[in-house]
Amino acid sequence: QKEVEQDPGPLSVPEGAIVSLNCTYSNSAFQYFMWYRQYSRKGPELLMYTYSSGNKEDGRFTAQVDKSSKYISLFIRDSQPSDSATYLCAMSTSGGSNYKLTFGKGTLLTVNP
Amino acid sequence: DAGITQSPRYKITETGRQVTLMCHQTWSHSYMFWYRQDLGHGLRLIYYSAAADITDKGEVPDGYVVSRSKTENFPLTLESATRSQTSVYFCASSRLGEAFFGQGTRLTVV
Repeated sequence: QKEVEQDPGPLSVPEGAIVSLNCTYSNSAFQYFMWYRQYSRKGPELLMYTYSSGNKEDGRFTAQVDKSSKYISLFIRDSQPSDSATYLCAMSTSGGSNYKLTFGKGTLLTVNP
Repeated sequence: DAGITQSPRYKITETGRQVTLMCHQTWSHSYMFWYRQDLGHGLRLIYYSAAADITDKGEVPDGYVVSRSKTENFPLTLESATRSQTSVYFCASSRLGEAFFGQGTRLTVV
């Protein structure tokens, strides 16, 4: 079983739709949870970062973490064509010599005008 | 400028040549990482470093060498480039929980 599982999609939605992206993980040591957006031929860009279980909102984006279920989500409201990109989830342990940063494989999202 | 920069952005090299990809960050983050990204494989960790002079292998380290004599620099060397090392390489630096990426180096080995 991979430590982080992410459905690669592709996911295609109409403009204005609510998008839900998800990852599951198996390592209980993960403490920090991130979502990245990557446009074609660009580096991953940090979108959201959370530490604890619960929700975090930033504009049209909401990140949700459920540590008991080992499940994280990213919701995009009122999706726009400019949101078309690959979205990667990432998780890390706490610091020290065993620090680990692990990525999902990414979900390709297309928002159609 | 604050941030993380990679150089060169594009590189074409011949099989068997030694190539060094540079990575520089201005935040003094302790952790730095090198990833390669290939279609169908996502980001794969090559090497990482917890601090200056501390490095460790990741998922796909064979054929690569790293060093970290200064906190801000983390060069990646391909000792003898092979075609299978054609890829996009990303460097990242991290404080706990937040990692920031460079724009990548697109390497082609012919």
